[in-house]
Amino acid sequence: EVQLVESGGGLVQSGGSLRLSCAVSGFTFSGQWMHWVRQAPGKGLVWVSRIKFDGSITGYADSVKGRFTISRDNAKNTLYLQMNSLTAEDTAVYYCAKTDWLDYWGQGTLVTVTS
Amino acid sequence: QSALTQPPSASGSPGQSVTISCAGTSSDVGAYNYVCWYQQHPGKAPKLMIYEVSKRPSGVPDRFSGSKSGNTASLTVSGLQAEDEADYYCSSYAGSNIFVFGTGTKVTVL
Repeated sequence: EVQLVESGGGLVQSGGSLRLSCAVSGFTFSGQWMHWVRQAPGKGLVWVSRIKFDGSITGYADSVKGRFTISRDNAKNTLYLQMNSLTAEDTAVYYCAKTDWLDYWGQGTLVTVTS
Repeated sequence: QSALTQPPSASGSPGQSVTISCAGTSSDVGAYNYVCWYQQHPGKAPKLMIYEVSKRPSGVPDRFSGSKSGNTASLTVSGLQAEDEADYYCSSYAGSNIFVFGTGTKVTVL
């Protein structure tokens, strides 16, 4: 069974940092592109970032470029999102999802940035 | 990186059909067959319903179908059922390692 479990969310002050993790199982993690998507409370889905299966290629939305870094540890079957210089606009549920079709999603982890 | 444009809402009675549009540009929807559709019920994670414009993942009812014409993609839900009431989002690859979602459509089953 495919499973993706996000963790690392919580309350952080504006300007602070947070690292999200996404632990996966049930599929060959090292062979899949992975994505982060976020959803602010009551708002729509927003694509955040993507990483190639070997970590050699990454992509970011303009709104997070230069502040967020996506990475992965294929030995640990874990995807990461390092988030720096956080602002209130980054408050959202963050989901990890597998493949470029986003065919499986985690349950999400809530990040709340306070001013 | 502008969001793809979807109507805020759509509705239909049980058994009827509803079609949701997803308007992009020649740089995203019009350029790639990387259009997907997701269904999201309140408080739940999104679920993939359509990929590569018109393909259905295993387990998705054939009442859901997708198409594309030029810079606009569409999702049609035929034979509406109560459980189809949800938010629906389109997405597309936009080149240069960038993806973009639609603004979302709330489907109501009357």
